[in-house]
Amino acid sequence: QSALTQPASVSGSPGQSITISCTGTSSDVGGYKFVSWYQQNPGKAPKVMIYDVSNRPSGVSNRFSGSKSGNTASLTISGLQAEDEADYYCSSYTSDNTRVFGGGTKLTVL
Amino acid sequence: QVQLVESGGGVVQPGRSLRLSCAASGFTFSDYGMHWVRQAPGKGLEWVALISYDGNSKYYADSVKGRFTISRDNSKNTLYLQVNSLRAEDTAVYYCAREVASIFFDYWGQGTLVTASS
Repeated sequence: QSALTQPASVSGSPGQSITISCTGTSSDVGGYKFVSWYQQNPGKAPKVMIYDVSNRPSGVSNRFSGSKSGNTASLTISGLQAEDEADYYCSSYTSDNTRVFGGGTKLTVL
Repeated sequence: QVQLVESGGGVVQPGRSLRLSCAASGFTFSDYGMHWVRQAPGKGLEWVALISYDGNSKYYADSVKGRFTISRDNSKNTLYLQVNSLRAEDTAVYYCAREVASIFFDYWGQGTLVTASS
């Protein structure tokens, strides 16, 4: 049950696009479509932004998109806005029916 | 509207026990698998445990296996986490979260803080 690997931090200027990677193994990210992404603001509970690798829940901006290749999933935020500054976590279903999170990525909007 | 409200946190001596509760409302509780997720101060999210909709299946993170027990009372719309042999590294905000069929957490509680300290 090792945590998925995310970069500790990413940054971008308003209007730019950024991508956050999430690397696991064939027993989690690579083996299933059940990868989700969460946004967490300080002192708040996480909020789902992407599920099933690339699906957006109702109400989430279409500036957020997800993809997967092999054992690595990615979250892309286009048209970066100040309000996007937050911590982001990926999560995956695993082969033993547990769940695993990534270590988290702090997004800074410059 | 869906609400999840955790309670039971506090300052507890290492080695002692406590029970966390998560009161659910606004949905048919017995239809959903439920999870506990924790977050140590300044750290990332860590998945802790899962219980199936009917309580018959339970899964745990290796870090808590044998010490934590997840349970539910569908008649009371409440999820529980029994925490035994508390360790310093168990200090965290504990969230309960609802999981939907596509295997993601769509609703979270506000969290309850557990601090292991003498």
